[in-house]
Amino acid sequence: AQSVTQLDSQVPVFEEAPVELRCNYSSSVSVYLFWYVQYPNQGLQLLLKYLSGSTLVKGINGFEAEFNKSQTSFHLRKPSVHISDTAEYFCAVKGTNAGKSTFGDGTTLTVKP
Amino acid sequence: NAGVTQTPKFRILKIGQSMTLQCTQDMNHNYMYWYRQDPGMGLKLIYYSVGAGITDKGEVPNGYNVSRSTTEDFPLRLELAAPSQTSVYFCASSLRDTNTEAFFGQGTRLTVV
Repeated sequence: AQSVTQLDSQVPVFEEAPVELRCNYSSSVSVYLFWYVQYPNQGLQLLLKYLSGSTLVKGINGFEAEFNKSQTSFHLRKPSVHISDTAEYFCAVKGTNAGKSTFGDGTTLTVKP
Repeated sequence: NAGVTQTPKFRILKIGQSMTLQCTQDMNHNYMYWYRQDPGMGLKLIYYSVGAGITDKGEVPNGYNVSRSTTEDFPLRLELAAPSQTSVYFCASSLRDTNTEAFFGQGTRLTVV
């Protein structure tokens, strides 16, 4: 079994500032890790995923995430955010031996001008 | 490719009524899922299917039923709707491989009054 904790439910930030959205997970098996973004009134879409290899993963729209096995974390970062990044972000974990994902409760990122 | 298509987009039901939320995908994905999303609660898995003719319960299956007669379609049935079923429902699909992401529909916003 696995679980995901997104440590911040809401993150307000000014335009062009850096942002970090935090995600911790627990699992008894090896995992794959995902970040999804949900824009208002839309479904979720993949931002990036960690499968293996380099612990720094780059995704779409300038986002990146770092896998830290010892801290069981997968934090999402962007060096300079835009108004259009305002959305809800979900961290998800999937066991390497299972097909279902477990999602965190989401972090609402609000970018202010 | 249309991806994952859900209908309807919005629906208001009276208590005790029933309805079917439709979901179809054209990506030949083996796995399909139904989630509900309540404010601040993330995504909760209702039911999932690993292939035609095979379905299984997720975290919150009570009050719902599903069927999977074809690879493409995975309808969700609500019998005797209750106010607690007011939510946004998302259908998703993925390949069998565990290292792949899920593809989501646009969601169905259901209100039970």
